[in-house]
Amino acid sequence: SAVISQKPSRDICQRGTSLTIQCQVDSQVTMMFWYRQQPGQSLTLIATANQGSEATYESGFVIDKFPISRPNLTFSTLTVSNMSPEDSSIYLCSVLTGRTGELFFGEGSRLTVL
Amino acid sequence: GQQLNQSPQSMFIQEGEDVSMNCTSSSIFNTWLWYKQDPGEGPVLLIALYKAGELTSNGRLTAQFGITRKDSFLNISASIPSDVGIYFCAGEVLAGKLIFGQGTTLQVKP
Repeated sequence: SAVISQKPSRDICQRGTSLTIQCQVDSQVTMMFWYRQQPGQSLTLIATANQGSEATYESGFVIDKFPISRPNLTFSTLTVSNMSPEDSSIYLCSVLTGRTGELFFGEGSRLTVL
Repeated sequence: GQQLNQSPQSMFIQEGEDVSMNCTSSSIFNTWLWYKQDPGEGPVLLIALYKAGELTSNGRLTAQFGITRKDSFLNISASIPSDVGIYFCAGEVLAGKLIFGQGTTLQVKP
């Protein structure tokens, strides 16, 4: 398993502003993943963040809206840019440990956009 | 795109009862996982399944990977109040990329 810390845990934001979410892992990992969970919904992968290269985005998500940084093997940030109420969601950082498919998640960052 | 159909959507049961939920898909997955999410928390991995037909237990939880690799079920025996939460099935598409079901909300009446 891994210990994953996210900041902020929650925030209320104004329309049109941007917010950066930080994710810190207690061990070095090759890949980090950012998921979104809209209210009452399931989880959807936004992008995969690899250290030393550009993030890989899933269909429907673009770098201009969700820029990601991965400066080292234990840290990543996700920025939600030019927010609208539709961006109100829980954003979750996750990492793979051990066997394939075993993703571990942080506690999430709950954003509310007014 | 790939989708997982999870049922039931919600359950309200009496403490001590057994619970069963399942997931089906039109696509084949090589790995199925079951997660539980408590309010204000991220999902926590309960059980991972790697082989078609595999039956795996974790305490009072039992999960099976369907023979066709297109379905899985999760059983919880003798439910207790702390079993309350949302349970998600997930299929692995690529390393780190999971497709999640819609979730089953479980409520347990003491």
